[in-house]
Amino acid sequence: KAGVTQTPRYLIKTRGQQVTLSCSPISGHRSVSWYQQTPGQGLQFLFEYFSETQRNKGNFPGRFSGRQFSNSRSEMNVSTLELGDSALYLCASSQGTSGEQFFGPGTRLTVL
Amino acid sequence: KQEVTQIPAALSVPEGENLVLNCSFTDSAIYNLQWFRQDPGKGLTSLLLIQSSQREQTSGRLNASLDKSSGRSTLYIAASQPGDSATYLCAVLDQAGTALFFGKGTTLSVSS
Repeated sequence: KAGVTQTPRYLIKTRGQQVTLSCSPISGHRSVSWYQQTPGQGLQFLFEYFSETQRNKGNFPGRFSGRQFSNSRSEMNVSTLELGDSALYLCASSQGTSGEQFFGPGTRLTVL
Repeated sequence: KQEVTQIPAALSVPEGENLVLNCSFTDSAIYNLQWFRQDPGKGLTSLLLIQSSQREQTSGRLNASLDKSSGRSTLYIAASQPGDSATYLCAVLDQAGTALFFGKGTTLSVSS
């Protein structure tokens, strides 16, 4: 079974631009969540989607948004990029009752 | 707000040693606890999952315990090998099963 895939793997953007990251969960998984990892703050929860509905959102500004499609694929968007948005963005998927989370390889975003 | 702490932050041991990594969390209302491994610049690999009703889980040379009432978990690694060198992350899933809260990790270095 294929794992969680994320595209693109690397991105370089400049301040003020916007970016869209994509995540394809493991087949059959309906929950997708997103995390930001930085050296200073570690791993922080962004949001979680289940069956196209956002069920939970972390403490991030409104510039960070996401959505989930009917095939469970998810995208996250960051608008008006700031230098501090440079991070590894990780996506995780989960099947359901056990709650076990499986992570993708991440997208490394660099904001110049 | 859930706070997760991991001690020690870094650990260096010679090959063959048995070692213990510690994790503590402030809110005992959790769905489960997961231990992950992260290699530099990579995503997270799930090592062990302990449901909130369980006390421990074992996989090969790894054993994880959970004491939910005291907010503690330990990861025991037996007969460490150089290939075990990585950052080990402890994470608790909130009771709703939607958000993981991570510790900052323990960076392990095993020398041959």
